[in-house]
Amino acid sequence: QQQVKQSPQSLIVQKGGISIINCAYENTAFDYFPWYQQFPGKGPALLIAIRPDVSEKKEGRFTISFNKSAKQFSLHIMDSQPGDSATYFCAASDENAGNMLTFGGGTRLMVKP
Amino acid sequence: EAQVTQNPRYLITVTGKKLTVTCSQNMNHEYMSWYRQDPGLGLRQIYYSMNVEVTDKGDVPEGYKVSRKEKRNFPLILESPSPNQTSLYFCASSLRGSYGGYEQYFGPGTRLTVT
Repeated sequence: QQQVKQSPQSLIVQKGGISIINCAYENTAFDYFPWYQQFPGKGPALLIAIRPDVSEKKEGRFTISFNKSAKQFSLHIMDSQPGDSATYFCAASDENAGNMLTFGGGTRLMVKP
Repeated sequence: EAQVTQNPRYLITVTGKKLTVTCSQNMNHEYMSWYRQDPGLGLRQIYYSMNVEVTDKGDVPEGYKVSRKEKRNFPLILESPSPNQTSLYFCASSLRGSYGGYEQYFGPGTRLTVT
């Protein structure tokens, strides 16, 4: 049973458009929510992360929106570029239970030129 | 250069033949872990280690062993591999990052095929 559900599985966006990836979690003890970006043939790399005491975190073109009551969080990529084409994973962890990350299933993003 | 290295990167083996995938990090991180990545399932943690000689099971530990005799190394051992262990494996090490949580640094991955 997957504790973090991610959608969509794949996403095609035109260059300059907004990419939106959603995640929902079940464990209310989760207190750290990172997003990882993975290019083909590479390991995932941390992109941006948020803690539940804020509702939004922005870094450049990447924004996390967090809704604690709905137990949902999402990644928005503004002005999407072909170089953003990658697989994106949301994740969550409960630091009181060690820092084991529970990952979503991943979203393969393709940004068309 | 700060990095996590894994060897081998690709491995094809037969059912039952013991194998070890090595992992090494040069960042002096205390926490290391192993994940497997399967389509649609994301990454699932196999084992993790909080420090030397301290290891614990993750979500999918069955069929795997680990050891942590040195801080920098965390090998993954498959005593008797089976076809359902065909997967892409990642080693990671972590420290507390600027976001307040533990930032995982992943190795390049090992693609294992068990026939």
